[in-house]
Amino acid sequence: DSGVTQTPKHLITATGQRVTLRCSPRSGDLSVYWYQQSLDQGLQFLIQYYNGEERAKGNILERFSAQQFPDLHSELNLSSLELGDSALYFCASSLRAVNTEAFFGQGTRLTVV
Amino acid sequence: AQRVTQPEKLLSVFKGAPVELKCNYSYSGSPELFWYVQYSRQRLQLLLRHISRESIKGFTADLNKGETSFHLKKPFAQEEDSAMYYCALKGTDKLIFGTGTRLQVFP
Repeated sequence: DSGVTQTPKHLITATGQRVTLRCSPRSGDLSVYWYQQSLDQGLQFLIQYYNGEERAKGNILERFSAQQFPDLHSELNLSSLELGDSALYFCASSLRAVNTEAFFGQGTRLTVV
Repeated sequence: AQRVTQPEKLLSVFKGAPVELKCNYSYSGSPELFWYVQYSRQRLQLLLRHISRESIKGFTADLNKGETSFHLKKPFAQEEDSAMYYCALKGTDKLIFGTGTRLQVFP
């Protein structure tokens, strides 16, 4: 157990809908990363937060947004969902923004039908 | 540009055979490189990092700055090594992953 918790584990929703994925980092970790893992694209970095502030942005669509709350948990919001958004969404946390090991959650499997 | 390339999507070997999973990177400066492993239905977990120069589960990886490579090697593959392997580079602010290589070890 890495200490990173993601909920829900599975999510099935229809196209056009909006969902929220939740991540609780390891105790004491200030940095949270979101990644999307799909069969053909591998692991794609979406966004990183550090102590509540956005730190780095990757290939995140405008339909997606995220935030990190004062208690350091993070939420990834996906809206106007398309079939191609079906993927495994991983959250990872690390102590600092850089130069530390990242610990991954088990992921949320999103299926858009 | 900061980039990690894993040229092989799938690598299949028989038990006891040597394994080399390739990773090349692009980074200006001193890179910090990692290998992560994802076993079936489990989360990604750190396998090893180049700074530690360690051997985990029989795997080693050497940073070759001249060839900008960080290939993962194991002399004798085991069935339990079957998993998805990701090479990662610590970029300016984030971990950059390659697209991964699925290792299949047949009995």
